[in-house]
Amino acid sequence: GAVVSQHPSWVICKSGTSVKIECRSLDFQATTMFWYRQFPKQSLMLMATSNEGSKATYEQGVEKDKFLINHASLTLSTLTVTSAHPEDSSFYICSASSADTQYFGPGTRLTVL
Amino acid sequence: GEDVEQSLFLSVREGDSSVINCTYTDSSSTYLYWYKQEPGAGLQLLTYIFSNMDMKQDQRLTVLLNKKDKHLSLRIADTQTGDSAIYFCAESIYGGYNKLIFGAGTRLAVHP
Repeated sequence: GAVVSQHPSWVICKSGTSVKIECRSLDFQATTMFWYRQFPKQSLMLMATSNEGSKATYEQGVEKDKFLINHASLTLSTLTVTSAHPEDSSFYICSASSADTQYFGPGTRLTVL
Repeated sequence: GEDVEQSLFLSVREGDSSVINCTYTDSSSTYLYWYKQEPGAGLQLLTYIFSNMDMKQDQRLTVLLNKKDKHLSLRIADTQTGDSAIYFCAESIYGGYNKLIFGAGTRLAVHP
């Protein structure tokens, strides 16, 4: 159990376009999901906390208008990178909460040309 | 503030035991985790321990917690080449619904 999926697993887009990444909890309901960003050979940096039915809470320094988060159901949260630029290229990982821990998705590698 | 530190690299011979260490600063931490990340993949939960425990064992994995020194370790018995990965230590105050604070990760290399 406790499987989290992400789609797509990788995406390449042109500068200025928007990209949507989906995070789904497949076998459990998650009222809270988290979005992380990971640079090469670095740890995970929390971007925002996504709560079902309410606005996301963003970490300091993360632009909420650039990284749009929607958590419309107990099994789905989406992250949209708007007007993407090369510096947004990164590995984006989501997690879904249970009472004791977070279960992570496989990640999405975004490359902006 | 919150901080989690780990050594960056560990090399062991196949069949030996690996010990990965972690220190944290927040004494309010109630949950302490070990995650494994293979190249290009997400994080796999290996195990976690509550702060009121000293030790937890799960097959080849043994977690030791010294709350006084805020020191956490992960021991992998009979290390195999498939254990080569990055291991992240993380802490949380309120469990899964609260943000996790991660260490930088320890890269474990297993050689023949």
